[in-house]
Amino acid sequence: LAKTTQPISMDSYEGQEVNITCSHNNIATNDYITWYQQFPSQGPRFIIQGYKTKVTNEVASLFIPADRKSSTLSLPRVSLSDTAVYYCLVGDVYNFNKFYFGSGTKLNVKP
Amino acid sequence: DSGVTQTPKHLITATGQRVTLRCSPRSGDLSVYWYQQSLDQGLQFLIQYYNGEERAKGNILERFSAQQFPDLHSELNLSSLELGDSALYFCASSVELGTGSPLHFGNGTRLTVT
Repeated sequence: LAKTTQPISMDSYEGQEVNITCSHNNIATNDYITWYQQFPSQGPRFIIQGYKTKVTNEVASLFIPADRKSSTLSLPRVSLSDTAVYYCLVGDVYNFNKFYFGSGTKLNVKP
Repeated sequence: DSGVTQTPKHLITATGQRVTLRCSPRSGDLSVYWYQQSLDQGLQFLIQYYNGEERAKGNILERFSAQQFPDLHSELNLSSLELGDSALYFCASSVELGTGSPLHFGNGTRLTVT
């Protein structure tokens, strides 16, 4: 199984760019990398997904190096409302990794 | 709004009782997942259904069971409840089983066992 490792917590200030890195050394050829955001007492919300190189949407960017053994979620100009737990998931239906959330990274944005 | 509806939002019951949690997936989604999240804990995958059939099972207790109906809604049944079953229970849905199909979560049912 492709285990993921993320920092337990990170602090940032409003307006800064935040980069959260996830390590997944055992990523398989068919695996996608997916990031979710979760606020207290709410269900996780899909942020972004990628397979290789760089993916960008209206809320974040996902950088994936050529070896795919890690990925970095980049949140531009964070605000207080970005304070949440961010989860990195790796896998697909065939190895069930996509169903398992790790401990996530608790991002605390300060004024 | 994710489009996934869970009812009820809150449930308070006593130990030994049985409860049923309900989930309506997003329109068009065939796959339903159930997760448990205890206080300050991570999300624990319980079980997945696809188009009415069980497809994957995680850390689900024998006291718990689930099913997905022909109209694709799903129910999670929790019986012989214990204090430790108090948690948020989330349902998620996705379009298909295939690679790259992200999950869309409901806002959960908060179960309190007293």
